[in-house]
Amino acid sequence: EAQVTQNPRYLITVTGKKLTVTCSQNMNHEYMSWYRQDPGLGLRQIYYSMNVEVTDKGDVPEGYKVSRKEKRNFPLILESPSPNQTSLYFCASSRQGDYNEQFFGPGTRLTVL
Amino acid sequence: KQEVTQIPAALSVPEGENLVLNCSFTDSAIYNLQWFRQDPGKGLTSLLLIQSSQREQTSGRLNASLDKSSGRSTLYIAASQPGDSATYLCAVIGGSNYKLTFGKGTLLTVNP
Repeated sequence: EAQVTQNPRYLITVTGKKLTVTCSQNMNHEYMSWYRQDPGLGLRQIYYSMNVEVTDKGDVPEGYKVSRKEKRNFPLILESPSPNQTSLYFCASSRQGDYNEQFFGPGTRLTVL
Repeated sequence: KQEVTQIPAALSVPEGENLVLNCSFTDSAIYNLQWFRQDPGKGLTSLLLIQSSQREQTSGRLNASLDKSSGRSTLYIAASQPGDSATYLCAVIGGSNYKLTFGKGTLLTVNP
């Protein structure tokens, strides 16, 4: 089954404790990205990757890191989480080119105390 | 900067009614437009993708149209059912980074 998976689905942590949210897709997509969803602000892009070893900032990159060492994986790293990073996070992937329908993972609900 | 607006923010209809959700965007230089459905606290399910060269797409009871020059799209839902209750999000794909710019969504409630 074609899908984007994220882990963990739920996470409660404390300020300053480094964490990683994993994202994996099995569709051989070149493009992957991370979004956060907050009430009243909607979905905003954090980082994106056009292909292996090619990453760039989205609209709200502060406090986050990413890496793209393999085509299928695109982890999101919070080196020192803060309460304002409490949010619902989504990973997405798509092909490059004209027909770039984007597929989303199930989401990771993060709470930083 | 691309901005996407969805009207109305919320809509409540009786079961069986046909309805239209509206989406507008400020920059017509888009690749595609995609409609999603989101259930409370859940992920995004892709409903329809309309390429910039297309005028409409249909899937079952759903029909989405795109008027790129005027920066508008509509999602038509025929014969609505309670299971259609969800938030519907419109997003345009554009720019060198293929970024999705989302609207704030329309919360649809279909009453039995």
